[in-house]
Amino acid sequence: EPEVTQTPSHQVTQMGQEVILRCVPISNHLYFYWYRQILGQKVEFLVSFYNNEISEKSEIFDDQFSVERPDGSNFTLKIRSTKLEDSAMYFCASSEGSLSETQYFGPGTRLLVL
Amino acid sequence: AQSVTQPDIHITVSEGASLELRCNYSYGATPYLFWYVQSPGQGLQLLLKYFSGDTLVQGIKGFEAEFKRSQSSFNLRKPSVHWSDAAEYFCAVGPNQAGTALIFGKGTTLSVSS
Repeated sequence: EPEVTQTPSHQVTQMGQEVILRCVPISNHLYFYWYRQILGQKVEFLVSFYNNEISEKSEIFDDQFSVERPDGSNFTLKIRSTKLEDSAMYFCASSEGSLSETQYFGPGTRLLVL
Repeated sequence: AQSVTQPDIHITVSEGASLELRCNYSYGATPYLFWYVQSPGQGLQLLLKYFSGDTLVQGIKGFEAEFKRSQSSFNLRKPSVHWSDAAEYFCAVGPNQAGTALIFGKGTTLSVSS
């Protein structure tokens, strides 16, 4: 069964460094998403992406964040200058784009900012 | 404001006993409703979803959920719990539109005792 994959599974970085989280969505899906889950808190929406542009973003998704689909398979989330509070599990998701909308999630990348 | 409430943070159930996890939502329009499960170290797996029609929906792993519009609820049930069901369960709501955010509850952690 097709699934969303994410790399790396864990990343440790120093505060102020740039990180890029990578995702490979399900191949025939058209919509892509990033969510995050700070430890002990709820899963929060960051951004959705369709047709090579952002379709919706939350207030969390500030200028420090960017997304890109650099080729036909990868979807990336870049955090330009990480802060301690960026430590979280980051989930990528994708959906087909039909009316019966279901988002399929990857296993997540756990980011730790020191 | 749109929101999802899962009143129970942690539930312990004996193996073989029945289970009900509660979910209440606040949403302006008719929502799409989802239950996801997250096992330790895993991503979010879709258990079931409600879009329209029959208010009792069947999902994977023997789970079902019932949409009750009058109570703004979408409770998850299973008649007989297995030890492998121990995980965190998230209720989520979303609009009838691709590319938009899912709103998650804080999750309920299920422990299964033998």
